Amino acid sequence: DAGVIQSPRHEVTEMGQEVTLRCKPISGHNSLFWYRQTMMRGLELLIYFNNNVPIDDSGMPEDRFSAKMPNASFSTLKIQPSEPRDSAVYFCASSSWGLPVFGPGTRLLVL
Amino acid sequence: QKEVEQDPGPLSVPEGAIVSLNCTYSNSAFQYFMWYRQYSRKGPELLMYTYSSGNKEDGRFTAQVDKSSKYISLFIRDSQPSDSATYLCAMTSQLMTTDSWGKFQFGAGTQVVVTP
Repeated sequence: DAGVIQSPRHEVTEMGQEVTLRCKPISGHNSLFWYRQTMMRGLELLIYFNNNVPIDDSGMPEDRFSAKMPNASFSTLKIQPSEPRDSAVYFCASSSWGLPVFGPGTRLLVL
Repeated sequence: QKEVEQDPGPLSVPEGAIVSLNCTYSNSAFQYFMWYRQYSRKGPELLMYTYSSGNKEDGRFTAQVDKSSKYISLFIRDSQPSDSATYLCAMTSQLMTTDSWGKFQFGAGTQVVVTP
């Protein structure tokens, strides 16, 4: 089992640029989560998908953030335009009606 | 006030000592309690999971839940340098079902350093 796969692992970009983060959940898992982790705010849930359908996106900071899950094996989180305050580690997690299994994260730095 | 409070530390202990970690919470609906371990530059990994009140032991790790006090604890016996990590508590009112789910609330995490 390869676990949750995220790419890229590191991203450095300039303010105003579009950033796309990618996630491949564990095969057979029907739930997918995007979390953001910062020193100031800890681990925050951004959005939750169940069977590819967004169920709760109340944690998405603003319209600059969007997430999609076109199929059971792929999800993207897009930030457009990016801002320095978006700098954080973004985790994707998946689960099968239970406890989230986290990926390794994408470390994003917006200059 | 945050729903889940956790002291960020750092907590430094000598090798072999008992590490004691805890979280307090305010939502009495929480029934499922988890501890995640996060090594530097890695994702959180599930360490312990407890339902409702009581104790659960797994090797050197013991999780305790006191719902009456809204207080959970994690104890690590015979601590090793490899236990150096950040430990996050998490809790939810329910696990996922076909038509509902309980959002996980995470603590801020406590950084633990075990010195040889």
